[in-house]
Order: sequence, then C-alpha cells, then structure tokens
Amino acid sequence: DVKVTQSSRYLVKRTGEKVFLECVQDMDHENMFWYRQDPGLGLRLIYFSYDVKMKEKGDIPEGYSVSREKKERFSLILESASTNQTSMYLCASRGSVRAGANVLTFGAGSRLTVL
Amino acid sequence: SQKIEQNSEALNIQEGKTATLTCNYTNYSPAYLQWYRQDPGRGPVFLLLIRENEKEKRKERLKVTFDTTLKQSLFHITASQPADSATYLCASRGTGFQKLVFGTGTRLLVSP
Repeated sequence: DVKVTQSSRYLVKRTGEKVFLECVQDMDHENMFWYRQDPGLGLRLIYFSYDVKMKEKGDIPEGYSVSREKKERFSLILESASTNQTSMYLCASRGSVRAGANVLTFGAGSRLTVL
Repeated sequence: SQKIEQNSEALNIQEGKTATLTCNYTNYSPAYLQWYRQDPGRGPVFLLLIRENEKEKRKERLKVTFDTTLKQSLFHITASQPADSATYLCASRGTGFQKLVFGTGTRLLVSP
C-alpha cells in the first residue's frame, strides 16, 4: 500500500508566521500534489511537482511556495501566514501518467488555523 | 471553463436501500471519471475509475456509470450500511494531463 504521510495533523499559527507543511510518500511516485479543501469550494490545487526540483502552479498558488529536494518529500510553505489560509491541506502522490497511473493517494490532511 | 458539479445537499437514506449520487461535467469531455470517499477529518480514498468507453463499472456493492450523452456519472451503493456514511467526491482530469479536478462532494448519511 502506498503511504502518504503528512507530518502535522493540526497546527495553530499566528498571522505573519512562516509555516512548513511536510509530506512524504514511500512508493517512489514521480508526481506529488498539494490541495487545500474548504467547505463549499471542494479541493483546489495549489502546486504540484512531477519530478525532483520541478514544480508547477496549480489553480491557487498565491501566498504559497513549494520545495521538492528529494523524490519522496514535497513541502508546502506559507511565507507569511494569513487568516484566509486557514484550511485543510491535503498532500497526494501519483505514479507516472505515461505508465497509466492516474489515481491519487492522499495523506490524512493537515488542518491549519491561522489566528 | 471545465466544471465538475455534485449535489451539495446531503443525501439521507435508510440502511439497506440503494444510494445514488450524481456527478455532472460541463465544457469538456473527460477521458475518465474517478470516485473517492472522504471521511470527516481525513484525506479522500480512491474507490473506482470509469473510462469514457465504459458504460458501467462494479466493485462489490459499488457501481459507477458514465453517460457521455448526458455528461454525467452516477455512483450507486447497494444495500447501504451506516458505515457507508461519508462524503463522496467525483474527479476528472483537468487542463494539462497532470491535474485532477474535483467536485465539491456529496455527503451521504445512512440511518440504521
């Protein structure tokens, strides 16, 4: 079974703080994703990465950055947290699309509250 | 722009009945649709994928249909159980082959 592990389940931060959300997968997947999920808005893609050191913006990248220094690890960074970034953050991974993989495996989620 | 829409109202049914959830898509023709289950406070878990050339797919008590004329997928749970209570998400490929776009999900409540 593919496992996607998000390091923090619950975080409470103050406005202006720098926040790191870490995600690790153990199945050598090429692709990794960060979504945020809000009531009534569903899952929205923030950033994704299709290889080490490669990244692409999703639909709502503003206020976020990412880092992928190793294949198994994909970090989401909030440089200066704001209250409108209070949300559930979900990391996911997927194998190679060229190999036919198109299903996402998600982590358990990180619920971030910014005060 | 491409859209996936699911009924935002919760679906309440009695144990033993068949639950039917709807996913509609507009402005594009997805090559496949996926269904995920999400429990409160947890990440979504993949259930089933159906391709555009497949009319129906089954897995145990789950059945998914794909109607390209109606631009709709239906997700059925037969002989529903309280343990089936969760939010069910529909998803499909977005612009660019890497992206997956999700509907907002429909919450299913199965009463004993």
